[in-house]
Amino acid sequence: DGGITQSPKYLFRKEGQNVTLSCEQNLNHDAMYWYRQDPGQGLRLIYYSQIVNDFQKGDIAEGYSVSREKKESFPLTVTSAQKNPTAFYLCASSSPGDTGELFFGEGSRLTVL
Amino acid sequence: RKEVEQDPGPFNVPEGATVAFNCTYSNSASQSFFWYRQDCRKEPKLLMSVYSSGNEDGRFTAQLNRASQYISLLIRDSKLSDSATYLCVVKNQGGKLIFGQGTELSVKP
Repeated sequence: DGGITQSPKYLFRKEGQNVTLSCEQNLNHDAMYWYRQDPGQGLRLIYYSQIVNDFQKGDIAEGYSVSREKKESFPLTVTSAQKNPTAFYLCASSSPGDTGELFFGEGSRLTVL
Repeated sequence: RKEVEQDPGPFNVPEGATVAFNCTYSNSASQSFFWYRQDCRKEPKLLMSVYSSGNEDGRFTAQLNRASQYISLLIRDSKLSDSATYLCVVKNQGGKLIFGQGTELSVKP
């Protein structure tokens, strides 16, 4: 089945540790996105990538890094510089064109202790 | 001003009621518009795209007013299963998708 796979689903880390969240898609989509969602709030864009080897900062990129070496993969690293990393992280991809629907993974819930 | 703003919730309605959600966007060059549904602690899923002429899908009607930079979602004959958070999403010309903060709907028996 085609879709987006995020891992891990739940992650606990100590303060000061870097964490990498995996996102893989087999939908052959060019564009991929990382969002963060805090309780009772909407999604905020961290980074997005329109094509392999290219990505742009979203609204809250500070303390995060990404790479896009392969079309299928868009991992997100939450660095120790991120002040409030505990959140629900959602990866998505979209089909080409302005009518592209967003397809989300099931999310990764990160808790920093 | 936020790029995408939605009605603050929550909306608590009885089964069978009609409920309308509103959303405004600030970028007049925005090109595509969507409504997503998000169940508690789950990922958002596309409910419907919003077309310039307005569109309907069963009990759901979406409308777009470009002049006023306004999108709406109307749900008729609400069901218990409609309880969720509804997210307005706007895609700008750079390909960036911006989410509203969401409006929570609770349908009661």
